[in-house]
Amino acid sequence: DTAVSQTPKYLVTQMGNDKSIKCEQNLGHDTMYWYKQDSKKFLKIMFSYNNKELIINETVPNRFSPKSPDKAHLNLHINSLELGDSAVYFCASSLGLTTYEQYFGPGTRLTVT
Amino acid sequence: EDQVTQSPEALRLQEGESSSLNCSYTVSGLRGLFWYRQDPGKGPEFLFTLYSAGEEKEKERLKATLTKKESFLHITAPKPEDSATYLCAVQARGGATNKLIFGTGTLLAVQP
Repeated sequence: DTAVSQTPKYLVTQMGNDKSIKCEQNLGHDTMYWYKQDSKKFLKIMFSYNNKELIINETVPNRFSPKSPDKAHLNLHINSLELGDSAVYFCASSLGLTTYEQYFGPGTRLTVT
Repeated sequence: EDQVTQSPEALRLQEGESSSLNCSYTVSGLRGLFWYRQDPGKGPEFLFTLYSAGEEKEKERLKATLTKKESFLHITAPKPEDSATYLCAVQARGGATNKLIFGTGTLLAVQP
């Protein structure tokens, strides 16, 4: 009965590779997000989708491409991975744009070597 | 620029020793202030939302309060299971309606 789930939990890859992280929510929410948490625990929004429409794109390199096949899923594809991409990536969801409580997934720890 | 600052960065308490965590914010207009708890290796867990100065919310040993410039998370008689990182976030009026700006958190350790 997991509310927001992400796969994989851990991802170790080499520089230059392309990888994807998947997110699914079973809360019936309309809005989903991707956040990046760096080594100092600072959590910063990357993208937000509402009913499959991109709402927020926070000056993220275009190597990062989110895709929302339906409102329950939001995936993150990263091309040409760099060392600086190493972080924990969290997916989150909220009921809608005017409902502000966001519920987070367990995170995906990405390590680029 | 909208900003959130949390203090202290880390706090160590004895079980039963009450204390407060601070979250100072500067935003063009506050839509809401949020408190989350994050355990190691897990995602942030939603605790409270505060919308206007003077508002207070409670949950077990936690009580959150809000003024026009800051929020406090009061922890009364903490237990070891309260150990976690506590994150504060604000949502500003204008711009994207659902963008959260987070502070860097306070790492709380409660010793038995």
